Amino acid sequence: DGGITQSPKYLFRKEGQNVTLSCEQNLNHDAMYWYRQDPGQGLRLIYYSQIVNDFQKGDIAEGYSVSREKKESFPLTVTSAQKNPTAFYLCASSIALYNEQFFGPGTRLTVL
Amino acid sequence: AQSVSQHNHHVILSEAASLELGCNYSYGGTVNLFWYVQYPGQHLQLLLKYFSGDPLVKGIKGFEAEFIKSKFSFNLRKPSVQWSDTAEYFCAVRPDNNDMRFGAGTRLTVKP
Repeated sequence: DGGITQSPKYLFRKEGQNVTLSCEQNLNHDAMYWYRQDPGQGLRLIYYSQIVNDFQKGDIAEGYSVSREKKESFPLTVTSAQKNPTAFYLCASSIALYNEQFFGPGTRLTVL
Repeated sequence: AQSVSQHNHHVILSEAASLELGCNYSYGGTVNLFWYVQYPGQHLQLLLKYFSGDPLVKGIKGFEAEFIKSKFSFNLRKPSVQWSDTAEYFCAVRPDNNDMRFGAGTRLTVKP
């Protein structure tokens, strides 16, 4: 099946710990994105990557980091510097930057 | 600040009622417009999109949206809703080949 997978579905971490969220796609898409979804605020862009080994900050990149070593993978690390990390995180991909985006199932992160 | 506005946070309808969800944006110039839907427990998926041409766009599951440039609007409509349309609906705008901007979402509850 072609698609985007995110793991795990639910993640719990203690305050002060870094945590990495996985995003994999087998759609052969060049561009990948990370969004954060909070109730009443819609989706906000954290980071995006146009091609391998390239990524750019979105609107709310502070406290997050990413890497794009492989075309299929775009992991997001939520660092201890992120002041309010509890949220629903969505990964997306598109054939190229600015094309229609396809979304993964999301990871709900809860920091205790 | 430039933005995407969805006026209704929560809409409750009975089955067979007509639906119209508002979406307004404040970006000038060329825009690409999208409506995404998130059914309970499922991925965010594309309902319909507008890039150019006929401003009345038909999407999946009987949804349609009309782009009114003079009003900076892209309202979503469906003549007769079903219980299975219960979901959260997001309007998104991509201005001038920039990052996609999402509205806060509208939760639709359809009573059987």
